[in-house]
Amino acid sequence: TAGITQAPTSQILAAGRSMTLRCTQDMRHNAMYWYRQDLGLGLRLIHYSNTAGTTGKGEVPDGYSVSRANTDDFPLTLASAVPSQTSVYFCASSADPDGTDTQYFGPGTRLTVL
Amino acid sequence: GESVGLHLPTLSVQEGDNSIINCAYSNSASDYFIWYKQESGKGPQFIIDIRSNMDKRQGQRVTVLLNKTVKHLSLQIAATQPGDSAVYFCAESPSYSGAGSYQLTFGKGTKLSVIP
Repeated sequence: TAGITQAPTSQILAAGRSMTLRCTQDMRHNAMYWYRQDLGLGLRLIHYSNTAGTTGKGEVPDGYSVSRANTDDFPLTLASAVPSQTSVYFCASSADPDGTDTQYFGPGTRLTVL
Repeated sequence: GESVGLHLPTLSVQEGDNSIINCAYSNSASDYFIWYKQESGKGPQFIIDIRSNMDKRQGQRVTVLLNKTVKHLSLQIAATQPGDSAVYFCAESPSYSGAGSYQLTFGKGTKLSVIP
C-alpha cells in the first residue's frame, strides 16, 4: 500500500513563480492536511480539508491555497512564491477529522525559494 | 498562547538502555496526545497515542505516560536500538468541537541518538 505520496521530492523555485505541490492518498481517508516544517518551529498547519469539497485555513495559510476536488488528492498551490516559503512541506491524512483517527504523513517536499 | 514543548532538545542513550523523552503541554483543554518519530529525510511516523482519560498506554517497546496534574507527557522506549535514532515529536489536540479541523499542535522535537 502506497499510503500518501507527494511530488516533487524537492524543488528550487524562483521568487515570484507559482508552484503546485501534489499529494495523493490511497487510503480513502476523509481528512487531509498540509503542514510546513521549519527548524525551531516544528510542524505548523497550513490548510486542511475535512472531506472532499471542503477546505479550511490552518495556523499559517497566507500565500497558500488548496483544493479538494476528490477524496484522494489535495494539492497545495503557491501563487507567487517568496523566500520565507522555503521549507519542508508534509501532507497528511486521517480517516476522519474528529480526533479519533491518527494522522499519517507523506514523505515530504523540500522547497527552496530563491 | 497555548503551546507544547519539550524539556530536552537532545538525548544520547547507550544501545540497550531505556530512553525517556519528555513533553510539557500548557493547554488544559488538551484531550488527545500523540508521539511521532521522524527519521532524517522522512515524514513523521505515528508511534503511540493516549487520551486524557488514561494515565498510561503501552505498545511494542514503547510506553506513554500522561500526568494531567502537571501537564506532562513522556515516551519511554525500552531496550533502545540504533534504529530508534530519530527526532521524536509530541503533539496534542483538544476535543474535536465539530467545527474547523482536528488541529494537532506539535512540539519542536527531541533528537534521540543511540550510541552503539
